[in-house]
Amino acid sequence: NAGVMQNPRHLVRRRGQEARLRCSPMKGHSHVYWYRQLPEEGLKFMVYLQKENIIDESGMPKERFSAEFPKEGPSILRIQQVVRGDSAAYFCASSPRAGDNQPQHFGDGTRLSIL
Amino acid sequence: QKEVEQNSGPLSVPEGAIASLNCTYSDRGSQSFFWYRQYSGKSPELIMSIYSNGDKEDGRFTAQLNKASQYVSLLIRDSQPSDSATYLCAVPAFSGGYNKLIFGAGTRLAVHP
Repeated sequence: NAGVMQNPRHLVRRRGQEARLRCSPMKGHSHVYWYRQLPEEGLKFMVYLQKENIIDESGMPKERFSAEFPKEGPSILRIQQVVRGDSAAYFCASSPRAGDNQPQHFGDGTRLSIL
Repeated sequence: QKEVEQNSGPLSVPEGAIASLNCTYSDRGSQSFFWYRQYSGKSPELIMSIYSNGDKEDGRFTAQLNKASQYVSLLIRDSQPSDSATYLCAVPAFSGGYNKLIFGAGTRLAVHP
């Protein structure tokens, strides 16, 4: 499967725990975008990363949320001390280049549920 | 902050009809436009991209772009029940920069037999 791979597909956490969401971009893609979709709402940009660099994290809450895209391995979106309001679908998308004309291809997402 | 507006619907059309989905955007400088289809509980799937004024056709789908009026539309010919989904319009936040997408809220399409 050469598509964007996200895991886990479903993640259940209790309030106060940590959630780690992983994303492997399509082969040949070095640009990764994370989006969040709250129930019954649209997709909202969170963060844009290239290998080893965070380029734009303007959509990511400043506390409890962090992202990385190491030289080796998948991109990780980390949520510390989760709260009920973090329950959402988190989607990762990738593109081969950075231009605004580059279509993004999405992974299947991680559905995060907070108990 | 750029805005992308879509009618949330639902848009109900009979099988075989043409479904017309519309999207308006706030930034006159926008150059690239994308349509995604999202089935309930699934991920967005890219179905069309358009960059120039006019029409772009791909199978049963036609994207129409009018930069002067700042709208982009998606036509689905011979609509099928399997086309029932939410259609998302997306525009890059920056022109000429990286592709941070601003999404509309989506239009829910229901095709009934």
